[in-house]
Amino acid sequence: ILNVEQSPQSLHVQEGDSTNFTCSFPSSNFYALHWYRWETAKSPEALFVMTLNGDEKKKGRISATLNTKEGYSYLYIKGSQPEDSATYLCAQGGTALIFGKGTTLSVSS
Amino acid sequence: KAGVTQTPRYLIKTRGQQVTLSCSPISGHRSVSWYQQTPGQGLQFLFEYFSETQRNKGNFPGRFSGRQFSNSRSEMNVSTLELGDSALYLCASSLAPPVHNTGELFFGEGSRLTVL
Repeated sequence: ILNVEQSPQSLHVQEGDSTNFTCSFPSSNFYALHWYRWETAKSPEALFVMTLNGDEKKKGRISATLNTKEGYSYLYIKGSQPEDSATYLCAQGGTALIFGKGTTLSVSS
Repeated sequence: KAGVTQTPRYLIKTRGQQVTLSCSPISGHRSVSWYQQTPGQGLQFLFEYFSETQRNKGNFPGRFSGRQFSNSRSEMNVSTLELGDSALYLCASSLAPPVHNTGELFFGEGSRLTVL
């Protein structure tokens, strides 16, 4: 994998559903894996930065895991709410980040 | 604590013109990086500055340039604008220097450039 890839590209769920997204990245020369949440008309906001293989981080209903050996990270949202509707970006690197194209989540009430 | 401020927020230029975008980082942040987002593309890294020095540069033509001032404020310039330069340009600041930096980036709301 040469680029950072995210799947699915978009996702529509009902309020209360749990969901997860995948981020795949080159496992060689790994530095850090970032997750950002980007709401329409706002600026991207950091959710997590993970550096160690096996890292798991949690913020409220959102959690993320990291596997640097196989080059993937999962983002989980438990009990989705309409306010979770946003584009979720993952990126690999230091401050010169390589971003995926994002997963756009839409949550209906 | 004020966030990252970018100006102008919107601007329209014509082909061949040049444009300068400004970014004021969060107070105390010395690293500033710039990203471009075009339709269908993810955020693409342009360049990164720390202590008034460019530390890293993305794969963009020489028409794209930038600088950082002693107060950490940064500007980017695009000369001889092309239609394909129409994009959202995001600036981000971080606390730590580029090397060994695993900290999060704090983004501004962006400058949306339209080239006609």
